[in-house]
Amino acid sequence: GESVGLHLPTLSVQEGDNSIINCAYSNSASDYFIWYKQESGKGPQFIIDIRSNMDKRQGQRVTVLLNKTVKHLSLQIAATQPGDSAVYFCAEKATGGGADGLTFGKGTHLIIQP
Amino acid sequence: NAGVTQTPKFRILKIGQSMTLQCTQDMNHNYMYWYRQDPGMGLKLIYYSVGAGITDKGEVPNGYNVSRSTTEDFPLRLELAAPSQTSVYFCASSYSKYQTVQQFFGPGTRLTVL
Repeated sequence: GESVGLHLPTLSVQEGDNSIINCAYSNSASDYFIWYKQESGKGPQFIIDIRSNMDKRQGQRVTVLLNKTVKHLSLQIAATQPGDSAVYFCAEKATGGGADGLTFGKGTHLIIQP
Repeated sequence: NAGVTQTPKFRILKIGQSMTLQCTQDMNHNYMYWYRQDPGMGLKLIYYSVGAGITDKGEVPNGYNVSRSTTEDFPLRLELAAPSQTSVYFCASSYSKYQTVQQFFGPGTRLTVL
């Protein structure tokens, strides 16, 4: 079936370096792609989203890139900090604008090395 | 604002027991959701609601029931607990139909069924 998945379960980066977290999706009908951050013992927290008609969107220290040709989504975190340690989920929202929830991938655990 | 609150934080049930997971939000959001998160996996949508008195099934509704009598509360009911329902349960809310990608999550309820 169609699903949202991630390439790597764990990513380890040095503090201060840039992090890139990747995600592959298969549902071409998705209208939005979203990144959530989940710290240990907490609920997911919205980071940034991108609509399917865009290629790039920037936030504070984060950039999301969408490549519809290869159905690939990435989250770039600049100057990674210890507080960035978390599990990052990509998610997608189907077209239609309905309130039927999000489809989440399995998550990538980002580990920050001092 | 407290945001989305969930009770209890932890619960152990025996097979066949029933319980209600409570969820309350104080942001006046119309849309509310219940997800479950199994170990090492992404979140899966159980039920959602677009307003008081209106609920609908998500991806994995079997074994669960919900009600939405007020804007603030969205309880999730397990009638006959089974080991397969061992999971972490997250409640979430969002403001409007066009902002459903940005969902606000509660801290979760960790449920174990033995």
